[in-house]
Amino acid sequence: AQSVTQLDSQVPVFEEAPVELRCNYSSSVSVYLFWYVQYPNQGLQLLLKYLSGSTLVESINGFEAEFNKSQTSFHLRKPSVHISDTAEYFCAVSEAAGNKLTFGGGTRVLVKP
Amino acid sequence: DAGITQSPRYKITETGRQVTLMCHQTWSHSYMFWYRQDLGHGLRLIYYSAAADITDKGEVPDGYVVSRSKTENFPLTLESATRSQTSVYFCASSSGTGVQFFGPGTRLTVL
Repeated sequence: AQSVTQLDSQVPVFEEAPVELRCNYSSSVSVYLFWYVQYPNQGLQLLLKYLSGSTLVESINGFEAEFNKSQTSFHLRKPSVHISDTAEYFCAVSEAAGNKLTFGGGTRVLVKP
Repeated sequence: DAGITQSPRYKITETGRQVTLMCHQTWSHSYMFWYRQDLGHGLRLIYYSAAADITDKGEVPDGYVVSRSKTENFPLTLESATRSQTSVYFCASSSGTGVQFFGPGTRLTVL
């Protein structure tokens, strides 16, 4: 069985400041890792994914995440946040050979002006 | 061009009533999923389907029934709604790459 832990339930941050959202997972097999974002009153959207290859993955809107196998982590970072980044962020994991996602509890990011 | 849709978007019902939430996707994805989202629990998988006529239980299946007679539809039925089933329900689909595409959600209130 897999599990995902997002260590911070809420992260307040000022506009243009950096932010890091922490995600740790446990699994006995190889995994795929994902970050999804949920804006208010909307469904989830894929932000970025790690399937294989380079352990550093980037999104088109400035987020990046690094897969660290030894620490079983997949932390999400952005060097300078915007008001529009206010949302809830979910880390998720699936078995490489399967397709079900296991989600963390989510981290609410509130960007303040 | 609709992608994945859910209906209704909002539903209020009473304890004991049967409720069906609809999910429709236009991509012909093999996999479809139902999740519920509750404060403090993130998203939890209720049921999933790998193809038409193939369904399987997720983490929290009790009180729910699914069917998948056609690839594009995956309805979720609450046979006898309870207050604990008040939640936001999300449907998702996937082609099998691991990436899932989510619908806009259905907010269900059981009185």
